[in-house]
Amino acid sequence: DTAVSQTPKYLVTQMGNDKSIKCEQNLGHDTMYWYKQDSKKFLKIMFSYNNKELIINETVPNRFSPKSPDKAHLNLHINSLELGDSAVYFCASRSTSSSYEQYFGPGTRLTVT
Amino acid sequence: AQTVTQSQPEMSVQEAETVTLSCTYDTSESDYYLFWYKQPPSRQMILVIRQEAYKQQNATENRFSVNFQKAAKSFSLKISDSQLGDAAMYFCAYRGPRGGSEKLVFGKGTKLTVNP
Repeated sequence: DTAVSQTPKYLVTQMGNDKSIKCEQNLGHDTMYWYKQDSKKFLKIMFSYNNKELIINETVPNRFSPKSPDKAHLNLHINSLELGDSAVYFCASRSTSSSYEQYFGPGTRLTVT
Repeated sequence: AQTVTQSQPEMSVQEAETVTLSCTYDTSESDYYLFWYKQPPSRQMILVIRQEAYKQQNATENRFSVNFQKAAKSFSLKISDSQLGDAAMYFCAYRGPRGGSEKLVFGKGTKLTVNP
C-alpha cells in the first residue's frame, strides 16, 4: 500500500501556465509538508500544514498556494509558472504525536519550458 | 537559523568496504533530531537512520551506524560492507525540538558511488 502518494509524477508545461500537484497520505498523520529539490539536488521546505492549518510558509512566492482540504491531502497550486520553478517537488507527512521522521512521497518532476 | 553542512559532494567506496559520510550542523538548541536520508536514482527519499540529541548512544541500523558528537555538532554516517545498492545521494537533515518549527533542514548531499 502506498503511504504518501503524489500525482502526477511528471509534469511538463509552458511558462505562464497554472498547474496543480496533489498529495495524499493514508498513514493517519496530522502534519504534511511540501519540499522543493532544485537542479543541484538541494532540498528546501516550502510549506507545512497541521490539521489543515498552515504553520510554515518559507518565503515562497505568492504564485505558490498550498491547499489542505482535509488532514490526508495537501495540494500545491502554482500560478504563472516560470522557468525557475522547474524542480522536483516532494510531499511528506508526519504524526506529531507518535513519530519523529517524515515520510516522503515519490516526488513530482516539474519541467517548465 | 539552523544550517547543515555536508563537506563531501562525492565519495566512492569499493564493494564490501566501509565508508564514512560527514555532516556538521549549527544550532543553539539542546534538544533536536538528526537524520540521514538516502535518495537512489528512483528519487524516492528513504530514511536510513535517526538520532535523538538527548541520547548519548549512537544509533545503528544493520550496516548503517552514526557517530554523533553533540559538543562538536557532528553527525557522520558509517556504511559497513558496502553494497552496490547503497549507491545513492545521501542527505543529512536536522529537525528542531518538538513544539518549534518542525521542518527538516537538509545538507546539500553526498553522492556515493559503490565500485564493484
